[in-house]
Amino acid sequence: QSALTQPASVSGSPGQSITISCTGTSSDVGNYNLVSWYQHHPDKAPKLMIYEVTKRPSGVSARFSGSKSGNTASLTISGLQAEDEADYYCCSYARSSTYVFGTGTKVTVL
Amino acid sequence: QVQLVQSGAEVKKPGASVKVSCKASGYTFSNYFIHWVRQAPGQGLEWMGLINPSGGSSTFAQKFQGRVTLTRDTSTSVVYMELSSLRSDDTAVYYCAREAVDTTLVHDYWGQGTLITVSS
Repeated sequence: QSALTQPASVSGSPGQSITISCTGTSSDVGNYNLVSWYQHHPDKAPKLMIYEVTKRPSGVSARFSGSKSGNTASLTISGLQAEDEADYYCCSYARSSTYVFGTGTKVTVL
Repeated sequence: QVQLVQSGAEVKKPGASVKVSCKASGYTFSNYFIHWVRQAPGQGLEWMGLINPSGGSSTFAQKFQGRVTLTRDTSTSVVYMELSSLRSDDTAVYYCAREAVDTTLVHDYWGQGTLITVSS
């Protein structure tokens, strides 16, 4: 099972919107609406931001939203803030109770 | 409150095995799968496998088949991840995370991570 493909880095100025893509295959992202997204700051545990493609857990800002088209899922951060600077990972169910993570994207707030 | 508390950092020699624990509290243990995810230095997150605490069944990423064993103790709400035949590239922070059995809510709570260093 190969890792899902994400851009290595994405940047934006405060207040702007950015979108992170997550490209898989018809065996994972394309076949299941079970994509989740995580924010990961160094030396901390990852934090769930989106699950089931579009759902936000309680307490996660509405500035974070998810979508999917075909084999590609996306995470959009609106109204970018300094605190959003972190690594972001997507994850997809990939049949037979297995999962696969994306390669990770470093978000920089300029 | 929900907590997943992992055992402490360890240093192991190549070829050895390591067993990391993940103690769950604040929720019904049998209602959530426990996943294991690792992050090697400078690398991304990597899914290793999961266990169903209710029956003890587990699934693994193909890469870890035969080298990872997941067990649980329902009396103490602890899940164990044992990785054998350690190599230097197994040096990583290992995390446990939970997934609801009956919904699509996945990885909503994580352990604090356990650093495993493999070095001769």
